[in-house]
Amino acid sequence: DAKTTQPTSMDCAEGRAANLPCNHSTISGNEYVYWYRQIHSQGPQYIIHGLKNNETNEMASLIITEDRKSSTLILPHATLRDTAVYYCIVRPGGSQGNLIFGKGTKLSVKP
Amino acid sequence: NAGVTQTPKFQVLKTGQSMTLQCAQDMNHNSMYWYRQDPGMGLRLIYYSASEGTTDKGEVPNGYNVSRLNKREFSLRLESAAPSQTSVYFCASSFSGTSGEQYFGPGTRLTVT
Repeated sequence: DAKTTQPTSMDCAEGRAANLPCNHSTISGNEYVYWYRQIHSQGPQYIIHGLKNNETNEMASLIITEDRKSSTLILPHATLRDTAVYYCIVRPGGSQGNLIFGKGTKLSVKP
Repeated sequence: NAGVTQTPKFQVLKTGQSMTLQCAQDMNHNSMYWYRQDPGMGLRLIYYSASEGTTDKGEVPNGYNVSRLNKREFSLRLESAAPSQTSVYFCASSFSGTSGEQYFGPGTRLTVT
């Protein structure tokens, strides 16, 4: 699987957009980008995924660069409840089994 | 929908004791997974079941057994608990084994003394 690189931590003011970057420069053509988050002591929560087009759902937007070497997860109006560790995961389409979670980015939303 | 439920939430075992962690999902998913998470580390896959009647080893299967009881339920058994199995255990499910969209339970916090 392609590896991902994320900043260790980020801060964001409540009500502002949180932009979480992820570098996946060795991504292959059939690999999807997934984003999960883990709020303290809870199970990971699926947020969004994409292949090459930008995606949006009720939780977030995912922007993937044209060369697919990096992506950004956008939380449009961060709240205190969005404080969590955010994981960017690259996974081949059609592969079986697990997700490989790295260390992620600790996002702290501050009042 | 309750999603993915796990029991118990907390458990303390003595070395050598056995126990079974229970997991159930009500999303009609075909695939189920057991992960463990140690402090400061990412999740590691123990076992998974791509569909009812099948199970496969993950990254760290030693010391564990699993049973896919039916489509809804997937249990994890520790036959002889060891301190190295102190961890938080998460169960997850997905529509298919190839889906990266997995839904996780709240976890079981296990301490082995």
